[in-house]
Amino acid sequence: EVQLVESGGGLIQPGGSLRISCAASGFTVSNNHMSWVRQAPGKGLEWVSVIYSGGSTDYADSVKGRFTISRDNSKNSLYLQMSSLRVEDTAVYYCARVWQHLDTSLYYYYYMDVWGKGTTVTVSS
Amino acid sequence: DIQMTQSPSSLSASVGDRVTITCRASQSINTYLNWYQQQPGKAPKLLIYGASSLQSGVPPRFSGSGSGTDFTLTISSLQPGDFATYYCQQSYSTPYTFGQGTKLEIK
Repeated sequence: EVQLVESGGGLIQPGGSLRISCAASGFTVSNNHMSWVRQAPGKGLEWVSVIYSGGSTDYADSVKGRFTISRDNSKNSLYLQMSSLRVEDTAVYYCARVWQHLDTSLYYYYYMDVWGKGTTVTVSS
Repeated sequence: DIQMTQSPSSLSASVGDRVTITCRASQSINTYLNWYQQQPGKAPKLLIYGASSLQSGVPPRFSGSGSGTDFTLTISSLQPGDFATYYCQQSYSTPYTFGQGTKLEIK
């Protein structure tokens, strides 16, 4: 069964650091593109970061320079290292597989087809 | 960054109704548009990708259309499990922005 399980969330003070993890089963993380998406309490979804199968990464402006996405092939896991945390980073953090689909029109479509249940990060003093 | 705007923000409907949710992009995104459903306290679930392609396992009462800047998600006959929040998302370029969501409630 294809599955993602996040862990590592918790309560952290502003300015602190935290690493959250996402363990995959049923597929190989390094062969896929992977993303983090977050959702602040009572708010909508916000895309955070992506790591492509080739290793390149990208970030939302709101986290650029503070968050780092990475993966460990031996553990088949995805990570998000978060530093200089702010109150506004409080959210449920979801990891998701980003599937790349080649359409008959030869367009590559990207969409998040497998999601974890999320881990909660609370930044508060 | 590409901004995604959904309308309406909330919608009340009854079981059996046909409903349409609209998503507008701030610039052309061809058909790089996905739709997700989120139940309270749950992770999002992919419904539609490429503006109109139904994800495997999703009931055919869900359909999507549009290209360029204007897109729609239609549910042909609402079922009890369809009352949820719906999000569009563009995958044309990073950041892969989401719309603000449309909450579909029971009338």
